[in-house]
Amino acid sequence: QKEVEQDPGPLSVPEGAIVSLNCTYSNSAFQYFMWYRQYSRKGPELLMYTYSSGNKEDGRFTAQVDKSSKYISLFIRDSQPSDSATYLCAMSRNTDKLIFGTGTRLQVFP
Amino acid sequence: DGGITQSPKYLFRKEGQNVTLSCEQNLNHDAMYWYRQDPGQGLRLIYYSQIVNDFQKGDIAEGYSVSREKKESFPLTVTSAQKNPTAFYLCASSNVAYEQYFGPGTRLTVT
Repeated sequence: QKEVEQDPGPLSVPEGAIVSLNCTYSNSAFQYFMWYRQYSRKGPELLMYTYSSGNKEDGRFTAQVDKSSKYISLFIRDSQPSDSATYLCAMSRNTDKLIFGTGTRLQVFP
Repeated sequence: DGGITQSPKYLFRKEGQNVTLSCEQNLNHDAMYWYRQDPGQGLRLIYYSQIVNDFQKGDIAEGYSVSREKKESFPLTVTSAQKNPTAFYLCASSNVAYEQYFGPGTRLTVT
């Protein structure tokens, strides 16, 4: 079993929809939870990170961590075609290395 | 402009040749990382370095080598011992592992 599981998609939604992207994990020692966005043939870009449980909001993006269920989510409100990309979740036990999910490909059509 | 640069963007090599990928950062970050990305497999850590003149193996270090002689630079050599070298290679840097910043990547094709 992989430490971090992420549905590869693709997830296809109309412009303006609310998007929910999710990851599950097996290691309860993870403390830091990150979301990266990667456009085709580019390097990943850090969107948000959360420490421990709870929610964090940044504009149209909300990250949610439920440590009791070992489940994290990224919500995108009012999705735009420019949000079309692959979204990678990543986790860390401490200040050491990251463990990445495989990424979910999102397509937002006009 | 602060950031991470990787060169070249595309690289083609014949099987059996060693090749070195460049990574430079001017963010004054202490740590640097090399990842490999293959379709459907996410990012896998090859090597990382938390300080100059020191580095650690990641999950898939076999067939790769690195050096960290300067804080700004962390080159990766893909040796002929790497069985499946064709991939997208990403370099990252950070001051804390949970806030890594990535370069644009190098796509290596070995035939």
